[in-house]
Amino acid sequence: EAQVTQNPRYLITVTGKKLTVTCSQNMNHEYMSWYRQDPGLGLRQIYYSMNVEVTDKGDVPEGYKVSRKEKRNFPLILESPSPNQTSLYFCASSLSDGNEKLFFGSGTQLSVL
Amino acid sequence: AQKITQTQPGMFVQEKEAVTLDCTYDTSDPSYGLFWYKQPSSGEMIFLIYQGSYDQQNATEGRYSLNFQKARKSANLVISASQLGDSAMYFCAMREDHPTGSARQLTFGSGTQLTVLP
Repeated sequence: EAQVTQNPRYLITVTGKKLTVTCSQNMNHEYMSWYRQDPGLGLRQIYYSMNVEVTDKGDVPEGYKVSRKEKRNFPLILESPSPNQTSLYFCASSLSDGNEKLFFGSGTQLSVL
Repeated sequence: AQKITQTQPGMFVQEKEAVTLDCTYDTSDPSYGLFWYKQPSSGEMIFLIYQGSYDQQNATEGRYSLNFQKARKSANLVISASQLGDSAMYFCAMREDHPTGSARQLTFGSGTQLTVLP
C-alpha cells in the first residue's frame, strides 16, 4: 500500500531534549517536506527536499534540522526543543515538486514542556 | 501578504444540502495549481481535488467540485449533498510554478471547519 509513515504519533518531551521524528515513503517520490500545523495558521512548511542530499528551508525553519540520505527517508530533528515548537507535524511527499498532489503522513502531535 | 485566504473559520450545513467553502488566492505567476484537502477529527490530510491555472473546465471529483474564477482569483470548493462524514476541517492550498526566491511549495490557507447537521 502506497503510504507515508510517520513516527511517533504522539510525543511529549521536555525543553532541550533532542528528538527525531521519522518519515518514510514507499512510493519512490523525489519530493518530501515537513509542515507544522497550528490553530488559525493552517500548515506552514518547515523544510523540503527535492532529492537525496538536496534540502532547503521552508517558511519556518528555525529550530529544526532535516537530512535526506536515502530517497525514502526524511527525518525531522529538533536539537533543543522549546515550548513554541509544540504543534502537529506532518511529513508529505510527491513525485516531484510539480502540480501533483501531496501524500501526507498521519501526523505527529508534539508537546514540549 | 497572505497568498491563500479562507475567510470562513466555521460553517454549518444541513445534511443533504450543498455548501460552498470560500478560497481566494494571490499570485502573479501565470502558472499555478490549486488544491483542496480535508482533515477529519482523526487528523490525517486527505486530498480532495486539484485545479490547474490553465484548465479550461472546473474540476470535479464525485460530490466535490471546484468553482474556479480566475479573474477573481477564487477557487471555492462546492460539496453537494452533504453527509455527516463531511464534518471536518477543509484547507485550500496553492502551488506556484515559478515562485520568487524559493522552490515550489504548497502554501495553505488557515482552514474552514465544516459541521454537517443531522
